[in-house]
Amino acid sequence: QITLKESGPTLVKPTQTLTLTCTFSGFSLSTTAVGVAWIRQPPGKALEWLALIYWDDNKQYSPSLKSRLTITKDTAKNQVVLTMTNMDPVDTATYFCAHCAGWLNDYWGPGTVVTVSS
Amino acid sequence: EIVLTQSPDTLSLSPGERATLSCRASRSVGNNYLAWFQQKPGQAPRLLIYTASIRATGIPDRFSGSGSGTDFSLTITRLEPEDFAVYYCQQHAYSPLNFGGGTRLES
Repeated sequence: QITLKESGPTLVKPTQTLTLTCTFSGFSLSTTAVGVAWIRQPPGKALEWLALIYWDDNKQYSPSLKSRLTITKDTAKNQVVLTMTNMDPVDTATYFCAHCAGWLNDYWGPGTVVTVSS
Repeated sequence: EIVLTQSPDTLSLSPGERATLSCRASRSVGNNYLAWFQQKPGQAPRLLIYTASIRATGIPDRFSGSGSGTDFSLTITRLEPEDFAVYYCQQHAYSPLNFGGGTRLES
C-alpha cells in the first residue's frame, strides 16, 4: 500500500526559504521508473506542478519556478525534500507530494497548508 | 511546454444526467498521455483516468475518457451525488507536467 505525507512549517515569512518533506511508504525510490513529484494549489485555484525527482536522480522543475526550487531525495529514509527560496504571499498554498509511475501522479499525500505572511 | 485548457469552467447538471468535460492541449500530447483527476473540497486529487482512456484501479465504469492528439474528454454517465467535484486534466508525456485550469461540476 502506497502512502505519502507532507510535513513542514505552516507559516513562513516573506523572503524566507520553505523546506517541505515528503515521507512515503509502500515503494522505494531506488526502483526503476519511480519518482516523487510536488504540486501546489493556492486557495480556490487550480493545481500547479512544481518539481519531480526520479529513482536515477533525474530532476525536473517548473520553468517559471526553477530558479527558486531544489528537490532532493534520501532513499534510505524514504523521503523527498523540496526547498523554495524567497517566499512571497502569492506562494500561500496547499502543497502536495505524489508518487510517480513513469510521469503519472497516481498516489497523493493529503497535502500541507503553507501560509506566507509577516 | 504544453498548455491545457479545460471547458467549461463550470457545468451545472443533476444526478442521473450525463456530463462531458473537455481538455484541449496547445500541441499534440505524445502517446495520448493525458490523465483526469477528481478533487473534492479539502481532499487531495484522485486519479480517475490515464493515457486518455484507461480507468485507474477502483474507478467506476460510469467514468470514461476519450480523445487523442490535442482534444480529450471525460464523460460521466448517470451522475451520482458523490460525483459533484472539480475535475482536472494533466498531461503526463512531457516535462513540465502541466494541469488544466479545472472544471467545476455542480448540482
